[in-house]
Amino acid sequence: DAKTTQPPSMDCAEGRAANLPCNHSTISGNEYVYWYRQIHSQGPQYIIHGLKNNETNEMASLIITEDRKSSTLILPHATLRDTAVYYCIVRVNRDDKIIFGKGTRLHILP
Amino acid sequence: GAVVSQHPSRVICKSGTSVKIECRSLDFQATTMFWYRQFPKQSLMLMATSNEGSKATYEQGVEKDKFLINHASLTLSTLTVTSAHPEDSSFYICSANIAGGRNNEQFFGPGTRLTVL
Repeated sequence: DAKTTQPPSMDCAEGRAANLPCNHSTISGNEYVYWYRQIHSQGPQYIIHGLKNNETNEMASLIITEDRKSSTLILPHATLRDTAVYYCIVRVNRDDKIIFGKGTRLHILP
Repeated sequence: GAVVSQHPSRVICKSGTSVKIECRSLDFQATTMFWYRQFPKQSLMLMATSNEGSKATYEQGVEKDKFLINHASLTLSTLTVTSAHPEDSSFYICSANIAGGRNNEQFFGPGTRLTVL
């Protein structure tokens, strides 16, 4: 079973920041938080990952709470192309298999 | 980022035939590849872990004799759906890790849509 809990769907206005929450209250000390997204009928795309510090890259920012029991993925300026299902995953390292939960279906509204 | 390809992208076959799906890492070597299946409006379900030069490890409930996996080289893994039936119609996706790399990403292929008539 997936170790994370996410809302099934969210709406965000185009141009605004999209904040996607994830609960991972049973995360272990050596597990990373990963985010992937899947645009319709495509393979998943890696977005970002982190251990305990906040992370930022060209796609998004990842905010992890101090107790590491939850995190938030932030898409700073959402566009219509960001419409996708976003998956929050916890895993130990890159060789660890990924177990996908149901994810959050993000709708970007024009 | 690294590229993973799948071939074919779509396949339609008759019930009872076997279908082979290829997963290739185009610009890196992958010691481990993973195969997933996704039904409409559902999440990806891990089927098996494919290790180069050894037998695949199947997830619980996945029939290893029906879904044959071969990982003969560091850039190619194949999934063969044997004696396919309509209930095997699904979106099959592979992913790969870079051998020896420090990158923590897992790279996914574009998927293969299988339709069994």
